[in-house]
Amino acid sequence: LAKTTQPISMDSYEGQEVNITCSHNNIATNDYITWYQQFPSQGPRFIIQGYKTKVTNEVASLFIPADRKSSTLSLPRVSLSDTAVYYCLVGPSGNTPLVFGKGTRLSVIA
Amino acid sequence: NAGVTQTPKFQVLKTGQSMTLQCAQDMNHNSMYWYRQDPGMGLRLIYYSASEGTTDKGEVPNGYNVSRLNKREFSLRLESAAPSQTSVYFCASIRTGSREQFFGPGTRLTVL
Repeated sequence: LAKTTQPISMDSYEGQEVNITCSHNNIATNDYITWYQQFPSQGPRFIIQGYKTKVTNEVASLFIPADRKSSTLSLPRVSLSDTAVYYCLVGPSGNTPLVFGKGTRLSVIA
Repeated sequence: NAGVTQTPKFQVLKTGQSMTLQCAQDMNHNSMYWYRQDPGMGLRLIYYSASEGTTDKGEVPNGYNVSRLNKREFSLRLESAAPSQTSVYFCASIRTGSREQFFGPGTRLTVL
């Protein structure tokens, strides 16, 4: 499975756009990029998944450059409730379990 | 539709005691996973089951056993608990071909 690297922590003020970048230099051709969000005392929650270019849903956008060696999760106009840990996972679709690293701890400040 | 449920929510054990953590899902998912999460850390995979009747080791299987009782239920057993197993345990399930895992609320286990 591809190894991922993401910042340990980030701070942001309410109302700002937050971009969290994940590096995955050895991503394989059949790997997808998936992001999860985890609030304190809860299990992770799926946010978004992509293979290439851009994916957008009601929660976030995911930008993937042509070489796919990195990806950026974009959270528009964050609020205090977006304070959480965000995990980037890379792996093939199917039954192969993905590896959760330590994630990026986002703190949103009023 | 309850999603993924786990019991118990909290448990305190003494070193050497045994217990079983229960997990059930009602989404007809084939694959189920058990993770542990230590304070300030990411999730580490203990065991997983790709389908009913199969189980495989994850990153940290030592000290644990699992049973995929049927498609709905996947239990995790600690035969002889140790303080190093103090953690929050999460169960998850996933539909075949998907990357979207659904997690349970977790079991907070303390081993004294």
